[in-house]
Amino acid sequence: DADVTQTPRNRITKTGKRIMLECSQTKGHDRMYWYRQDPGLGLRLIYYSFDVKDINKGEISDGYSVSRQAQAKFSLSLESAIPNQTALYFCATSEVGGGRETQYFGPGTRLLVL
Amino acid sequence: AQSVTQLDSQVPVFEEAPVELRCNYSSSVSVYLFWYVQYPNQGLQLLLKYLSGSTLVKGINGFEAEFNKSQTSFHLRKPSVHISDTAEYFCAVTNAGGTSYGKLTFGQGTILTVHP
Repeated sequence: DADVTQTPRNRITKTGKRIMLECSQTKGHDRMYWYRQDPGLGLRLIYYSFDVKDINKGEISDGYSVSRQAQAKFSLSLESAIPNQTALYFCATSEVGGGRETQYFGPGTRLLVL
Repeated sequence: AQSVTQLDSQVPVFEEAPVELRCNYSSSVSVYLFWYVQYPNQGLQLLLKYLSGSTLVKGINGFEAEFNKSQTSFHLRKPSVHISDTAEYFCAVTNAGGTSYGKLTFGQGTILTVHP
């Protein structure tokens, strides 16, 4: 089984709809991240959480919200989807310290907003 | 604030030829550097990382990278590529300490296409 899972893998929605993307991990990491990937722009950080009680905005948080339900679960919500939120979304987890500075990525959720 | 620039958006190369993917970064503090690879329809996976020590870092699949502090570069190299190396490659940086330690800033990506 994959260490970082994302659901759904693909989603089509309409402008104005609320949508939630879910991420679960079995790696036991405290840190979790949400990114979006757009062609030619690389990955940009939306939100990150260093533990269950710590949630922080990334560089492009407008129009998004998150919930860290447990150490293993980190959800991303689009309150009112708009077409320019069409993108590939990745969840990641990490440890830090002791040479373990590596982020582990889920398979991604491809979102299309019509 | 940090930034990462990957100097080539696309690199076409023939099989068994050498390749270099270029990455420059900007930061006012010490950094850790990473290269990730994304195969078609997959998530990202770590190729290699520089944390400290030797500036030449070896990774998976025969890739290596050299950290050059004076030129603020972390270029990725492979002496002989295979068709299976066709993918998008991302350079990333994080501060080596402080409140943003562990938070990655990514470059724009370089699409490597290996032709037979």
